[in-house]
Amino acid sequence: GENVEQHPSTLSVQEGDSAVIKCTYSDSASNYFPWYKQELGKRPQLIIDIRSNVGEKKDQRIAVTLNKTAKHFSLHITETQPEDSAVYFCAASKGNAGNMLTFGGGTRLMVKP
Amino acid sequence: GAVVSQHPSWVICKSGTSVKIECRSLDFQATTMFWYRQFPKQSLMLMATSNEGSKATYEQGVEKDKFLINHASLTLSTLTVTSAHPEDSSFYICSARSSRSSGRANQFFGPGTRLTVL
Repeated sequence: GENVEQHPSTLSVQEGDSAVIKCTYSDSASNYFPWYKQELGKRPQLIIDIRSNVGEKKDQRIAVTLNKTAKHFSLHITETQPEDSAVYFCAASKGNAGNMLTFGGGTRLMVKP
Repeated sequence: GAVVSQHPSWVICKSGTSVKIECRSLDFQATTMFWYRQFPKQSLMLMATSNEGSKATYEQGVEKDKFLINHASLTLSTLTVTSAHPEDSSFYICSARSSRSSGRANQFFGPGTRLTVL
Protein backbone atom coordinates (compact mmCIF):
# COMPACT_ATOMS: atom_id res chain seq x y z
CA GLY A 1 0.00 0.00 0.00
CA GLU A 2 0.85 3.66 0.02
CA ASN A 3 3.45 5.01 2.44
CA VAL A 4 3.82 8.72 3.09
CA GLU A 5 6.86 10.12 4.88
CA GLN A 6 6.86 13.67 6.24
CA HIS A 7 9.73 15.86 7.41
CA PRO A 8 10.55 17.54 9.65
CA SER A 9 8.52 16.32 12.61
CA THR A 10 8.93 19.67 14.34
CA LEU A 11 9.72 23.06 12.90
CA SER A 12 10.27 26.30 14.74
CA VAL A 13 10.46 29.59 12.84
CA GLN A 14 10.45 33.25 13.68
CA GLU A 15 7.34 35.23 12.81
CA GLY A 16 7.62 36.53 9.27
CA ASP A 17 9.97 33.79 8.12
CA SER A 18 9.02 31.05 5.69
CA ALA A 19 8.31 27.43 6.61
CA VAL A 20 8.71 24.43 4.34
CA ILE A 21 7.40 20.94 5.03
CA LYS A 22 8.25 18.05 2.74
CA CYS A 23 6.55 14.74 2.02
CA THR A 24 7.38 11.74 -0.10
CA TYR A 25 5.05 9.02 -1.24
CA SER A 26 5.62 5.52 -2.50
CA ASP A 27 2.72 4.70 -4.81
CA SER A 28 3.12 6.23 -8.25
CA ALA A 29 -0.63 5.78 -8.80
CA SER A 30 -1.42 8.40 -6.15
CA ASN A 31 -2.74 11.49 -7.82
CA TYR A 32 -4.28 13.68 -5.14
CA PHE A 33 -2.26 15.37 -2.39
CA PRO A 34 -4.00 17.45 0.27
CA TRP A 35 -2.49 19.28 3.21
CA TYR A 36 -4.29 19.60 6.52
CA LYS A 37 -3.81 21.86 9.51
CA GLN A 38 -4.84 20.45 12.87
CA GLU A 39 -5.01 22.40 16.08
CA LEU A 40 -4.90 20.56 19.38
CA GLY A 41 -7.99 18.44 19.93
CA LYS A 42 -9.69 19.61 16.75
CA ARG A 43 -10.46 18.18 13.36
CA PRO A 44 -8.00 18.41 10.47
CA GLN A 45 -8.77 21.36 8.23
CA LEU A 46 -7.94 21.22 4.55
CA ILE A 47 -5.72 24.18 3.70
CA ILE A 48 -4.60 23.38 0.18
CA ASP A 49 -4.49 20.46 -2.20
CA ILE A 50 -2.90 19.58 -5.51
CA ARG A 51 -3.59 17.03 -8.19
CA SER A 52 -0.98 15.17 -10.18
CA ASN A 53 -1.65 17.10 -13.37
CA VAL A 54 -0.39 20.30 -11.74
CA GLY A 55 3.12 21.10 -10.56
CA GLU A 56 2.39 24.01 -8.29
CA LYS A 57 -0.56 25.71 -6.64
CA LYS A 58 -0.71 28.85 -4.55
CA ASP A 59 -3.30 30.33 -2.24
CA GLN A 60 -2.21 33.61 -0.65
CA ARG A 61 0.63 32.75 1.78
CA ILE A 62 0.41 29.02 1.17
CA ALA A 63 1.79 27.11 -1.79
CA VAL A 64 2.28 23.47 -2.64
CA THR A 65 4.67 21.99 -5.16
CA LEU A 66 4.59 18.49 -6.60
CA ASN A 67 7.34 16.52 -8.29
CA LYS A 68 5.73 13.38 -9.69
CA THR A 69 8.99 11.94 -10.97
CA ALA A 70 10.62 12.11 -7.57
CA LYS A 71 7.33 11.38 -5.80
CA HIS A 72 7.56 14.23 -3.39
CA PHE A 73 5.51 17.30 -2.60
CA SER A 74 6.06 20.24 -0.33
CA LEU A 75 4.09 22.84 1.58
CA HIS A 76 5.43 26.39 1.68
CA ILE A 77 4.11 28.98 4.10
CA THR A 78 5.44 32.50 3.67
CA GLU A 79 5.29 35.40 6.12
CA THR A 80 4.42 33.05 8.95
CA GLN A 81 2.22 34.29 11.78
CA PRO A 82 1.73 32.93 15.32
CA GLU A 83 -1.70 31.66 14.33
CA ASP A 84 -0.01 29.38 11.80
CA SER A 85 1.26 27.35 14.76
CA ALA A 86 -0.35 23.91 14.55
CA VAL A 87 0.32 20.39 13.34
CA TYR A 88 0.35 20.00 9.59
CA PHE A 89 -0.31 16.72 7.82
CA CYS A 90 0.27 15.82 4.22
CA ALA A 91 -1.70 13.01 2.64
CA ALA A 92 -1.89 11.06 -0.58
CA SER A 93 -4.76 9.37 -2.34
CA LYS A 94 -5.50 7.47 -5.52
CA GLY A 95 -8.49 7.99 -7.71
CA ASN A 96 -10.60 11.04 -6.98
CA ALA A 97 -10.44 13.30 -3.97
CA GLY A 98 -12.81 11.15 -1.97
CA ASN A 99 -10.75 8.00 -1.88
CA MET A 100 -9.00 6.90 1.28
CA LEU A 101 -6.17 9.11 2.44
CA THR A 102 -2.80 7.95 3.67
CA PHE A 103 -1.38 10.53 6.02
CA GLY A 104 2.18 11.54 6.72
CA GLY A 105 3.43 11.58 10.28
CA GLY A 106 2.74 15.26 10.82
CA THR A 107 4.86 18.36 11.44
CA ARG A 108 4.45 20.49 14.52
CA LEU A 109 5.02 24.07 13.41
CA MET A 110 5.78 26.67 16.02
CA VAL A 111 5.91 30.31 14.98
CA LYS A 112 7.62 32.45 17.55
CA PRO A 113 6.46 36.07 17.81
CA GLY B 1 -20.18 24.07 3.25
CA ALA B 2 -20.35 20.39 4.05
CA VAL B 3 -20.66 19.67 7.77
CA VAL B 4 -19.86 16.45 9.57
CA SER B 5 -20.73 15.96 13.21
CA GLN B 6 -19.64 13.37 15.72
CA HIS B 7 -21.24 12.34 18.96
CA PRO B 8 -20.16 12.22 21.66
CA SER B 9 -17.26 14.67 21.54
CA TRP B 10 -15.69 12.92 24.48
CA VAL B 11 -16.43 9.85 26.57
CA ILE B 12 -14.91 8.24 29.64
CA CYS B 13 -15.77 4.65 30.33
CA LYS B 14 -14.71 1.71 32.43
CA SER B 15 -12.66 -1.10 31.02
CA GLY B 16 -14.83 -3.81 29.52
CA THR B 17 -17.72 -1.61 28.46
CA SER B 18 -18.73 -0.82 24.89
CA VAL B 19 -18.85 2.67 23.45
CA LYS B 20 -20.73 3.80 20.35
CA ILE B 21 -19.58 6.82 18.35
CA GLU B 22 -21.82 8.39 15.73
CA CYS B 23 -20.71 10.20 12.62
CA ARG B 24 -23.29 12.22 10.71
CA SER B 25 -23.16 14.19 7.50
CA LEU B 26 -25.53 17.06 8.18
CA ASP B 27 -26.10 18.65 4.80
CA PHE B 28 -25.02 16.08 2.26
CA GLN B 29 -25.28 12.39 1.55
CA ALA B 30 -22.21 10.33 2.24
CA THR B 31 -21.89 7.06 0.38
CA THR B 32 -18.57 6.44 2.06
CA MET B 33 -17.29 7.29 5.52
CA PHE B 34 -13.83 6.68 6.88
CA TRP B 35 -12.88 6.05 10.49
CA TYR B 36 -9.48 7.15 11.74
CA ARG B 37 -7.73 6.78 15.06
CA GLN B 38 -5.19 9.28 16.29
CA PHE B 39 -2.99 8.68 19.30
CA PRO B 40 -1.43 11.68 21.07
CA LYS B 41 1.16 13.46 18.97
CA GLN B 42 0.73 10.96 16.17
CA SER B 43 -0.81 10.94 12.74
CA LEU B 44 -4.25 9.81 11.67
CA MET B 45 -4.38 6.10 10.98
CA LEU B 46 -7.18 4.76 8.84
CA MET B 47 -9.09 2.03 10.64
CA ALA B 48 -11.82 1.20 8.17
CA THR B 49 -13.83 2.36 5.20
CA SER B 50 -17.58 2.27 5.66
CA ASN B 51 -19.88 2.08 2.65
CA GLU B 52 -23.60 2.61 2.99
CA GLY B 53 -25.50 -0.66 2.88
CA SER B 54 -22.48 -2.94 2.82
CA LYS B 55 -19.85 -4.33 5.15
CA ALA B 56 -16.99 -2.11 6.18
CA THR B 57 -13.50 -2.71 4.85
CA TYR B 58 -10.96 -2.87 7.66
CA GLU B 59 -7.30 -1.98 7.43
CA GLN B 60 -4.71 -4.56 8.28
CA GLY B 61 -4.31 -4.99 12.01
CA VAL B 62 -7.73 -3.59 12.92
CA GLU B 63 -9.99 -6.16 14.58
CA LYS B 64 -13.41 -6.04 12.97
CA ASP B 65 -15.02 -7.81 15.91
CA LYS B 66 -13.70 -5.22 18.30
CA PHE B 67 -14.46 -2.15 16.19
CA LEU B 68 -17.96 -2.67 14.85
CA ILE B 69 -18.96 -0.34 12.05
CA ASN B 70 -22.47 0.19 10.79
CA HIS B 71 -23.38 2.51 7.91
CA ALA B 72 -27.12 2.12 7.84
CA SER B 73 -27.99 5.31 6.01
CA LEU B 74 -26.43 7.86 3.70
CA THR B 75 -25.97 10.28 6.58
CA LEU B 76 -24.97 8.09 9.51
CA SER B 77 -22.15 5.72 10.32
CA THR B 78 -21.44 4.34 13.79
CA LEU B 79 -18.30 2.91 15.32
CA THR B 80 -18.72 0.72 18.37
CA VAL B 81 -15.65 -0.05 20.43
CA THR B 82 -16.54 -3.32 22.13
CA SER B 83 -15.07 -4.39 25.46
CA ALA B 84 -12.93 -1.29 25.55
CA HIS B 85 -9.54 -1.39 27.27
CA PRO B 86 -7.16 1.41 28.27
CA GLU B 87 -5.09 0.87 25.14
CA ASP B 88 -8.17 1.81 23.08
CA SER B 89 -8.03 5.31 24.53
CA SER B 90 -7.55 7.58 21.56
CA PHE B 91 -9.02 10.34 19.42
CA TYR B 92 -11.40 8.82 16.88
CA ILE B 93 -12.17 10.92 13.81
CA CYS B 94 -14.53 10.15 10.98
CA SER B 95 -14.62 11.67 7.55
CA ALA B 96 -17.45 11.57 5.08
CA ARG B 97 -17.21 11.46 1.32
CA SER B 98 -19.87 13.36 -0.55
CA SER B 99 -21.77 11.45 -3.19
CA ARG B 100 -21.69 14.58 -5.34
CA SER B 101 -18.73 14.97 -7.62
CA SER B 102 -16.61 17.94 -6.85
CA GLY B 103 -13.70 19.69 -8.45
CA ARG B 104 -12.11 19.95 -5.05
CA ALA B 105 -11.87 17.71 -2.05
CA ASN B 106 -15.13 16.01 -1.30
CA GLN B 107 -14.05 14.33 1.93
CA PHE B 108 -14.95 16.20 5.12
CA PHE B 109 -13.80 15.50 8.67
CA GLY B 110 -15.84 15.31 11.82
CA PRO B 111 -14.66 17.08 15.00
CA GLY B 112 -13.47 13.86 16.59
CA THR B 113 -14.34 11.88 19.71
CA ARG B 114 -11.89 11.54 22.55
CA LEU B 115 -12.26 8.16 24.21
CA THR B 116 -10.69 7.53 27.59
CA VAL B 117 -10.93 4.04 29.01
CA LEU B 118 -10.18 3.73 32.70
